[in-house]
Amino acid sequence: GAGVSQSPSNKVTEKGKDVELRCDPISGHTALYWYRQSLGQGLEFLIYFQGNSAPDKSGLPSDRFSAERTGGSVSTLTIQRTQQEDSAVYLCASSRLRQGWGSTDTQYFGPGTRLTVL
Amino acid sequence: DQQVKQNSPSLSVQEGRISILNCDYTNSMFDYFLWYKKYPAEGPTFLISISSIKDKNEDGRFTVFLNKSAKHLSLHIVPSQPGDSAVYFCAASAGGSEKLVFGKGTKLTVNP
Repeated sequence: GAGVSQSPSNKVTEKGKDVELRCDPISGHTALYWYRQSLGQGLEFLIYFQGNSAPDKSGLPSDRFSAERTGGSVSTLTIQRTQQEDSAVYLCASSRLRQGWGSTDTQYFGPGTRLTVL
Repeated sequence: DQQVKQNSPSLSVQEGRISILNCDYTNSMFDYFLWYKKYPAEGPTFLISISSIKDKNEDGRFTVFLNKSAKHLSLHIVPSQPGDSAVYFCAASAGGSEKLVFGKGTKLTVNP
């Protein structure tokens, strides 16, 4: 079946502009995650959606970052007034419902969106 | 402060030999550990995981060892194949949390 898809694959923008990154999770996956990977760094958690629960926004680096998930499926990550330090690969992942304590459902990642802020 | 550390940015091994990738963590609340593999221009793909109630988990050529007292885990690949060349990320979570904390990755190159 289809995996997680993200668009665009590459985005170049000017400092101060707003950008929107899109994620289409695997059909039937109720959990959706956004991470980013800056150059030479590991993946950094940004935000997590699980079903109809309030999202876990604890990883968002500033109030310029926001995300929404419409209809429990597609998600959009918005970065307002982009800065050069926002340049990174933004990765989306999805997973099935949590199986229980001590286990984390496998997160399936999309190919990412490479954002370059000039 | 990095909670998950992969101190070797790169590793090179010969085809057929064993590859050992190491990972250290500082948060004693972590109880679930995963390894992901990433090829260029692709997202990470899940490889193998281990719960803190175990000290070893094996899946084909891949084995993960967990040493809780040392807060250390390692991934063994044997025998290594050229197709294993990729960046390997160690990740951890605590208390059933869905949030994964990743290391910076180790680039493995398996030479034919």
